[in-house]
Amino acid sequence: QLQLQESGPGLVKPSETLSLTCSVSGGAISSLSHFWGWIRQPPGKGLEWIGSASYSGNTFYNSSLKSRVTISVDMSKNHLSLQLISVTAADTAIYYCANGNFYNILTGWGYWGQGTLVTVSS
Amino acid sequence: NFLLTQPHSVSGSPGETVTISCTRTSGSIVTNYVQWYQQRPGSAPTTVIYEHYQRPSGVPDRFSGSIDSSSNSASLSISGLKTEDEADYYCQSYDSSTQVFGGGTKLTVL
Repeated sequence: QLQLQESGPGLVKPSETLSLTCSVSGGAISSLSHFWGWIRQPPGKGLEWIGSASYSGNTFYNSSLKSRVTISVDMSKNHLSLQLISVTAADTAIYYCANGNFYNILTGWGYWGQGTLVTVSS
Repeated sequence: NFLLTQPHSVSGSPGETVTISCTRTSGSIVTNYVQWYQQRPGSAPTTVIYEHYQRPSGVPDRFSGSIDSSSNSASLSISGLKTEDEADYYCQSYDSSTQVFGGGTKLTVL
């Protein structure tokens, strides 16, 4: 059973960089049939796709975040990373990592991490 | 880009069947798979339907997905409603470059 665990700072200052890691257990992140991604949820609001990646380096990003976001897959550490630069209070949210083993890199998600709350505040 | 429109809320009594709709504003609902996620209060989402109709292992067959090409919409039906089904439900789909979530539907079991 695949398990995903997000980690990182719970508090980030405005204009700084948000960096999160998703540790993967129960499977290899390098599997060709698996895709990886990040989704966020502002408090009391709905889900927002941030981006998707494959271990081979293919990435897709939400157009509203594309200029600020980088998602990378680290095979040596079997983890997924998220970097979001120049954060503002609007980036305050629960951040989820997720895995999909479906039709293509954008299809959707089968496994979810428990999520980590990141607050942007000085 | 396209949008996925869901009703804000639905409700039903234990044992009843409820249906949640998800309408795609542009692009084909048929050729781009729809997924459904359940999110109970204070918990992470879990997948209840993927690729239009498929149930992950462990999801009871009370949950089913369907597609209606005439209205360009997808639906999630939950039969034999239980109190534990009370949650937010999100549909999700994609196109060639983006992934989109619906706004979510709050299911209340009366």
